[in-house]
Amino acid sequence: KQEVTQIPAALSVPEGENLVLNCSFTDSAIYNLQWFRQDPGKGLTSLLLIQSSQREQTSGRLNASLDKSSGRSTLYIAASQPGDSATYLCAALSGNTGKLIFGQGTTLQVKP
Amino acid sequence: GAVVSQHPSWVICKSGTSVKIECRSLDFQATTMFWYRQFPKQSLMLMATSNEGSKATYEQGVEKDKFLINHASLTLSTLTVTSAHPEDSSFYICSARYRGQTEAFFGQGTRLTVV
Repeated sequence: KQEVTQIPAALSVPEGENLVLNCSFTDSAIYNLQWFRQDPGKGLTSLLLIQSSQREQTSGRLNASLDKSSGRSTLYIAASQPGDSATYLCAALSGNTGKLIFGQGTTLQVKP
Repeated sequence: GAVVSQHPSWVICKSGTSVKIECRSLDFQATTMFWYRQFPKQSLMLMATSNEGSKATYEQGVEKDKFLINHASLTLSTLTVTSAHPEDSSFYICSARYRGQTEAFFGQGTRLTVV
């Protein structure tokens, strides 16, 4: 059974810092791994999707990497801004079940 | 990306009544739809998977008679919470995927409060 874990659960940084959010998954048989942003009380905003054959994806100040063999993905945020404050969720699409399994999320606070 | 619309965005209902939540794919045919539930400060938990024209597959521990899912067309799935109770209060989110694709697109979510 696929399990997805995110570390840390919460993170507080000053504005301008570069930071890394971690995601690990137990079953390497995945189609893809996706990173989402969720603002309080809101739905999900898809940030980046990495296919199983890819190593990384970039969008603006965001860079996500994927290492299937070790069961890890990271989301790198460069030059963080207060507007980046949100909960970040990673989710792995299981190659066996076709289900998207979510981690618990990392709540990020960027202080001005 | 593709657009998934969920309605209503929030609803308050009395205990014992039923509530229907709609999930529509606006610009693509959603052959598969997923329903998730999220409690405060927790992650999304998959409730069920529905394929167009067939019965939904529920995750372990989810009562299929309480959470009725209908996926009657390629653009619409509904989740009906029957005889709602306060413990059913939660954030419900749907997602949709089209045939042959692995990326799922999410609705905005529905905040259900049962009083």
